[in-house]
Amino acid sequence: EVQLVESGGGLVQPGRSLRLSCTGSGFTFGDYAMTWVRQAPGKGLEWVGFIRSKRFGGTTEYAASVKGRFTISRDDSKSIAYLQMNSLKTEDTAVYYCSRVGLLTLYGMDVWGQGTTVTVSS
Amino acid sequence: EIVLTQSPGTLSLSPGERATLSCRASQSVSNSYLAWYQQKPDQAPRLLIDGASSRATGIPDRFSGSGSGTDFTLTISRLEPEDFAVYYCQHYASSSWTFGQGTKVEIK
Repeated sequence: EVQLVESGGGLVQPGRSLRLSCTGSGFTFGDYAMTWVRQAPGKGLEWVGFIRSKRFGGTTEYAASVKGRFTISRDDSKSIAYLQMNSLKTEDTAVYYCSRVGLLTLYGMDVWGQGTTVTVSS
Repeated sequence: EIVLTQSPGTLSLSPGERATLSCRASQSVSNSYLAWYQQKPDQAPRLLIDGASSRATGIPDRFSGSGSGTDFTLTISRLEPEDFAVYYCQHYASSSWTFGQGTKVEIK
């Protein structure tokens, strides 16, 4: 079964850091670009960033709201993508989803994890 | 930056009825990179439509997408009880993704 599982969420104080993990299974993780999308309580979806597959350089792109604070990386040997979040703000409070950019899609995200909740509060 | 505006905000319909959801872009976009997602409460989004009109794997044919330029539509031909959810359009361009604010389809 193709699956993504996020972990690492929790309660953190403003200004602190947190690292989320996204573990894939049931597919060749390294072949896919991986994205992070978040959803603040009661709000819509917001794209956070993505990392290309190594085949396309493994480079990253970020939304303006997190650029310079968040870093995405990947370890294909472990089938894990990471979201390192630094200098957290209260407005970063959200459910964070990782998702896969489908190889047979036109940049559609065809597999999603169940999400992990990040709460930034003092 | 392209802004996607979805309408209506909420659609109240009965099972069996037809649902028409709109997604308007602030400037003309490539319909190749326009997608639709369904999200139910406390669940992750699910890809429904990719490339503006191609159903994703396993999506029933009562879901269809259309449109080009700045105006795109998701149509659910006959609402089933499991279709009541929030729907988002999404566009990809220049190595980033943008979501619309969502349309909630609720039971009337």
